[in-house]
Amino acid sequence: KQEVTQIPAALSVPEGENLVLNCSFTDSAIYNLQWFRQDPGKGLTSLLLIQSSQREQTSGRLNASLDKSSGRSTLYIAASQPGDSATYLCAVKSGGGADGLTFGKGTHLIIQP
Amino acid sequence: KAGVTQTPRYLIKTRGQQVTLSCSPISGHRSVSWYQQTPGQGLQFLFEYFSETQRNKGNFPGRFSGRQFSNSRSEMNVSTLELGDSALYLCASSFLSGGANEQFFGPGTRLTVL
Repeated sequence: KQEVTQIPAALSVPEGENLVLNCSFTDSAIYNLQWFRQDPGKGLTSLLLIQSSQREQTSGRLNASLDKSSGRSTLYIAASQPGDSATYLCAVKSGGGADGLTFGKGTHLIIQP
Repeated sequence: KAGVTQTPRYLIKTRGQQVTLSCSPISGHRSVSWYQQTPGQGLQFLFEYFSETQRNKGNFPGRFSGRQFSNSRSEMNVSTLELGDSALYLCASSFLSGGANEQFFGPGTRLTVL
């Protein structure tokens, strides 16, 4: 059974800092990995999708990497802004695709102005 | 292009009642998945529908059911509500089922069971 872990559970940093969020998964047989953002009481916004054959994806100030063999992904946020404050969720689509996405519990990020 | 829409946004029910939630996927998307989000368990997969057929199902009791219509809109039903069913229910759509398709989520329906 696939399990996804996100470290740290919470993070508070001053504005302008670069930061890294971590995600690990137990079964390397995945189709893809998605990073999402969730604002309080809201739905999920897809940030980046990395297919299993890819090593990284970039969108603006965000860069996500994937090391499938070691079961790890990182989300790098450059020059953080207060508007980046949210919960960031990592999810994997496992091989066979039978069980939907498996999510981590998320990293609650606060960017201090 | 309009995103995934869910109705209603908020619901309050009492134990024992049943509830139906609705989800309209992004235009052209044929797969709809449902997830339950609670503070304790996080996000958990309920089921997926594609071309009006349930493709996959998570580990939830039979009180949770769903269906999909020919226009890809989907409904989720929960019967005999329990206090523990209080959660944010999220719907996600993708172009196709399974494999490497990106999923796009709606704003969710907040269900409170009293």
